[in-house]
Amino acid sequence: NAGVTQTPKFQVLKTGQSMTLQCAQDMNHNSMYWYRQDPGMGLRLIYYSASEGTTDKGEVPNGYNVSRLNKREFSLRLESAAPSQTSVYFCASSGELYSNQPQHFGDGTRLSIL
Amino acid sequence: GNSVTQMEGPVTLSEEAFLTINCTYTATGYPSLFWYVQYPGEGLQLLLKATKADDKGSNKGFEATYRKETTSFHLEKGSVQVSDSAVYFCALSDSGGYQKVTFGIGTKLQVIP
Repeated sequence: NAGVTQTPKFQVLKTGQSMTLQCAQDMNHNSMYWYRQDPGMGLRLIYYSASEGTTDKGEVPNGYNVSRLNKREFSLRLESAAPSQTSVYFCASSGELYSNQPQHFGDGTRLSIL
Repeated sequence: GNSVTQMEGPVTLSEEAFLTINCTYTATGYPSLFWYVQYPGEGLQLLLKATKADDKGSNKGFEATYRKETTSFHLEKGSVQVSDSAVYFCALSDSGGYQKVTFGIGTKLQVIP
């Protein structure tokens, strides 16, 4: 039962470098999400994908891009990393639209920008 | 917009003590309410949920009742264990739209032997 798998688990970058965080789910969920978690701020939504082929901005999209590669995979890209993007990033997925099903989370990617 | 308010903590309790973590919310319509738990080094996982007023969610000895009149969803457990040490997030889900979820800031619980 893999659920939601995120890679890598840890990453250190220098300011200005780029990288892509990978996320895959095996629950046949339509909706996928990227959050960042910072002390004292809870979880903030970066981008989401309601279904394959669609993506939309969340609360804090600046500095990020996403790709919904297929139904299973949803990646998050930092084009030019900044220290303010040091955070723990979580990918999540959930079932059908208009439902009240809970979100399922990966274990997170801990990203440090120097 | 929607919002969820909970204390950040940490809340420190002795083993077997009674736990209450308060959660109040602001939302339009009829949201679903959730409690998620995050253990160290892990992602969030659903603890319990309630989808309509007066529903009680329960799991692993934890309970919470959806109170529409007070817009609250307080988490309770009668006797906590050291293994309950974690961060607890209250959350709500839109009644319409794409199922956007609004999270509280999380309450850290420390249970000491």
